[in-house]
Amino acid sequence: AQRVTQPEKLLSVFKGAPVELKCNYSYSGSPELFWYVQYSRQRLQLLLRHISRESIKGFTADLNKGETSFHLKKPFAQEEDSAMYYCALKGTYKYIFGTGTRLKVLA
Amino acid sequence: DAGVTQSPTHLIKTRGQQVTLRCSPKSGHDTVSWYQQALGQGPQFIFQYYEEEERQRGNFPDRFSGHQFPNYSSELNVNALLLGDSALYLCASSPLIFSSYEQYFGPGTRLTVT
Repeated sequence: AQRVTQPEKLLSVFKGAPVELKCNYSYSGSPELFWYVQYSRQRLQLLLRHISRESIKGFTADLNKGETSFHLKKPFAQEEDSAMYYCALKGTYKYIFGTGTRLKVLA
Repeated sequence: DAGVTQSPTHLIKTRGQQVTLRCSPKSGHDTVSWYQQALGQGPQFIFQYYEEEERQRGNFPDRFSGHQFPNYSSELNVNALLLGDSALYLCASSPLIFSSYEQYFGPGTRLTVT
């Protein structure tokens, strides 16, 4: 079965602290994984994808096939990072989303 | 380019009624997907349209149907509305089916069934 699990509904960290948003997946074959972000009153938008191995807004995510994980990390959280984060797995025709983690960065 | 647009923004319907939601994809995109996002949940895939045909369908009943027009815009129809159909309905477009291009999401239509 294809599935994405985000175990934390809410993650609160202080400004300047490291952030790690967890994502685990279940997929047979080579997965394509993404992180989407939704800021307050804005639409869902792509943050990064594992294929491009890029760093966006200081966030990185490494695909670990052994642990079937794609955790999102940032060394120093900023207040503007507060948002809803969704991990997504791209299947043949569709994206499978996790339930999301709300990140709150406290001043 | 306004990106993906959806109409209406909000909608209130009564149980048993029918509803039509509309989506215009981002310029240059030919593939449209629809998702349902219930409160506190991630988006759930309903179906995808490409070349005016439904290419893939998620685990949704036949009450959910769609259409894609020659200009790539799309409609989502829901018949015999249930209270549980209350959700945010998202449309997403992408430039090419089978590709790894990202999906661009619209702002959504908030449907409330009373």
